[in-house]
Amino acid sequence: AQKITQTQPGMFVQEKEAVTLDCTYDTSDPSYGLFWYKQPSSGEMIFLIYQGSYDQQNATEGRYSLNFQKARKSANLVISASQLGDSAMYFCAMREGPSGGGADGLTFGKGTHLIIQP
Amino acid sequence: DVKVTQSSRYLVKRTGEKVFLECVQDMDHENMFWYRQDPGLGLRLIYFSYDVKMKEKGDIPEGYSVSREKKERFSLILESASTNQTSMYLCASRWGLTLSTDTQYFGPGTRLTVL
Repeated sequence: AQKITQTQPGMFVQEKEAVTLDCTYDTSDPSYGLFWYKQPSSGEMIFLIYQGSYDQQNATEGRYSLNFQKARKSANLVISASQLGDSAMYFCAMREGPSGGGADGLTFGKGTHLIIQP
Repeated sequence: DVKVTQSSRYLVKRTGEKVFLECVQDMDHENMFWYRQDPGLGLRLIYFSYDVKMKEKGDIPEGYSVSREKKERFSLILESASTNQTSMYLCASRWGLTLSTDTQYFGPGTRLTVL
């Protein structure tokens, strides 16, 4: 079973509109972290936002916010007031395991290709 | 700013060749990772290292090996390249000992083509 599911392979959005990118996850570990990365056409992965499983509040970073619904195992990324420069691939990722150690890598979803139209 | 560099952006090799992909980070990070990225599959972890000379297999280690002789450098080795190893390879590093500091910083990627 997939641990990270991104159901939107591609999205077209008008500039200045808000965008929600879906991500659901699957884990039985009570301690985990959720991440969103942006990958523009240049190829580099850019970290956007992090949400810990025990965090009480939804994470926010500038125009990015994470709509964390723990019971639904959902961690959707919301981009407010989209810009042309937001056009990119977006990946949701998870790391499982207790805080305090471990070197495991991230498990990534398959990504959503977001295109912002003028 | 954290900087992760990879030795090549584009690489073309022939089947059977031995291929070295180099990654260097400048932030004294303990953990380093190699992923491959394929369309429709996202990123998949090949190997990671949590210390010098230490390595652990990721989800798809077959056909690859790694080397970490110095803390800042993590090499991915294709002993005998095959066409199904044509892919984008991404290196990442991380300091974090806890989940909250887990942010991985990625290099620009190496697009490898095996003919």
